[in-house]
Amino acid sequence: DTEVTQTPKHLVMGMTNKKSLKCEQHMGHRAMYWYKQKAKKPPELMFVYSYEKLSINESVPSRFSPECPNSSLLNLHLHALQPEDSALYLCASSQVLRQPSSGANVLTFGAGSRLTVL
Amino acid sequence: DAKTTQPNSMESNEEEPVHLPCNHSTISGTDYIHWYRQLPSQGPEYVIHGLTSNVNNRMASLAIAEDRKSSTLILHRATLRDAAVYYCILRRKTSYDKVIFGPGTSLSVIP
Repeated sequence: DTEVTQTPKHLVMGMTNKKSLKCEQHMGHRAMYWYKQKAKKPPELMFVYSYEKLSINESVPSRFSPECPNSSLLNLHLHALQPEDSALYLCASSQVLRQPSSGANVLTFGAGSRLTVL
Repeated sequence: DAKTTQPNSMESNEEEPVHLPCNHSTISGTDYIHWYRQLPSQGPEYVIHGLTSNVNNRMASLAIAEDRKSSTLILHRATLRDAAVYYCILRRKTSYDKVIFGPGTSLSVIP
């Protein structure tokens, strides 16, 4: 299995709703990532988990709450979002390569979850 | 993070070779050069990566300048399926878990 599966593909939510995005991989990767992508812009890194521990938070607002319950699963919990949070949310995974090969690390991305906040 | 610069857009005729340039003048000795592409309505996909030597795989070739300050992604015969945004990224071994995307090059393929 060489895929990263993201669900749901589309999500519409109100500003007072609580929802979650889910990401799953079975490639044995121990690093998982969340990116946010606005239309016609490059993906922006949000969070990185390494061995199920949060290793990078790119100053993301607390209304986005990541969770990595096990090595195959990554969630992004959404609460009190704003319309400007509407975007494509991408999940990715990779091996964790140690130096000196760490720069050779390759990411596998899912197809994304398209979020619309009304 | 080291910066890369790419042309905003390029055009190619179908079945002709495409050379996509990337400048990375602040590259350090241990930075890997990675290329990803993103087709419409899909997540990015890995294309190729290299450190110092030129690299070939089934998708593309990567030509790295001798001083490593620039590189070129080569698609040998462009197809309509190759129309995508191509991102050139530097991966530092000191920040192995960060992949930062620049604006990329939007490639159009003309039938």
